[in-house]
Amino acid sequence: NAGVTQTPKFRVLKTGQSMTLLCAQDMNHEYMYWYRQDPGMGLRLIHYSVGEGTTAKGEVPDGYNVSRLKKQNFLLGLESAAPSQTSVYFCASQHRGGTYEQYFGPGTRLTVT
Amino acid sequence: DAKTTQPNSMESNEEEPVHLPCNHSTISGTDYIHWYRQLPSQGPEYVIHGLTSNVNNRMASLAIAEDRKSSTLILHRATLRDAAVYYCILRIYNQGGKLIFGQGTELSVKP
Repeated sequence: NAGVTQTPKFRVLKTGQSMTLLCAQDMNHEYMYWYRQDPGMGLRLIHYSVGEGTTAKGEVPDGYNVSRLKKQNFLLGLESAAPSQTSVYFCASQHRGGTYEQYFGPGTRLTVT
Repeated sequence: DAKTTQPNSMESNEEEPVHLPCNHSTISGTDYIHWYRQLPSQGPEYVIHGLTSNVNNRMASLAIAEDRKSSTLILHRATLRDAAVYYCILRIYNQGGKLIFGQGTELSVKP
């Protein structure tokens, strides 16, 4: 199993450009999450999904959109990137029951100039 | 959302036990206490979780106070690979499993 993978690993955008970050998991997990982590801080939840076709807002959703068209994929979109969105983005997935353990991807480092 | 309070940093010597404290005075009866750790340049990884009783697993032990307003993560013998940021998190019942991270405790381990 690859676990949780994220594409791309690094990206540099200019202000106003758009991009999509892809998260994929092969564990058949129902729940998926997008977080951002700024230097020296803990992770902050952007959006999450409890199943295919459903999404919900987290702590810091402004400036981001998400889609969960397939159970194994969770996409995070930036429609018009801003320097304040420079961060490391982590995706995670979790089985609905059991230990409620979240499995995290390796992260995407995004710089907006 | 319920908040947790942790020391910013702690130091330990290799092969000695480490006790990482966490205060969560606003915890409600259905909130689970989760611990994750984040090694440098990696995503967080699950360590342990509990509700009321003390818990043990291969990585660590979790001691929960009787009133549940505080907990302690115990690493029985610290190794250099345990140097990481440790996050104490309250998982709110029935909210899609979402975790609200705080600042965490940066643990350094000296050889």
